[in-house]
Amino acid sequence: DIQMTQSPSSLSASVGDRVTITCRASQGINSFLAWFQQKPGKAPKSLIYEASNLQSGVPSKFSGSGSGTHFTLTISSLQPEDFATYYCQQYNFYPLTFGGGTKVEIK
Amino acid sequence: EVQLLESGGGLVQPGGSLRLSCAASGFTFSSYVMTWVRQAPGMGLEWVSGISGSDHNTYYSDSVKGRFTISRDNSKNTVYLEMNSLRVEDTAIYYCANEVRLDHWGQGTLVTVSS
Repeated sequence: DIQMTQSPSSLSASVGDRVTITCRASQGINSFLAWFQQKPGKAPKSLIYEASNLQSGVPSKFSGSGSGTHFTLTISSLQPEDFATYYCQQYNFYPLTFGGGTKVEIK
Repeated sequence: EVQLLESGGGLVQPGGSLRLSCAASGFTFSSYVMTWVRQAPGMGLEWVSGISGSDHNTYYSDSVKGRFTISRDNSKNTVYLEMNSLRVEDTAIYYCANEVRLDHWGQGTLVTVSS
């Protein structure tokens, strides 16, 4: 199975900060990587697919990059509504696997 | 607008069974892989099972293989998850989502396995 390692597991940031979350795959997954945002008590929401493609309706302050084994999610200017937990997921191989999550908290 | 609506969750004793349903609308259901993902209380996301659109190939995580069965009825735009021999560690919110990249998610249904 492919292991997905996210870092950091949590971070504290201020409104307006630029935030970067990293996801590493234990083997190459091409660009078959998605990012999700989850707020407490809510279902996850897809932000990015195929490493860098923004889902419809997702603001452009979110961006993704990478291929192979190293991927990043960047939020260009953190806003109050962005405080949440973020997950990466590979879909190149079954079993589909998720990173452990990054909780973004207010500093 | 894509909508996914799960149902069928509840409280069940260890060793018991439940069948979850996910009713889909807003897209060509038969063309899409459908996926079940779960989230135990306070934990991360775990892929459970998937089923292809037309040929109904099925896939399972090792943790549920042999106990859970995924199926679909394309005439009803619905995917199912039959869960047998339930364990305490199966307690979670179960979400359905479309495709392997999980573009859209339902609101989830809570399954609690406890005596």
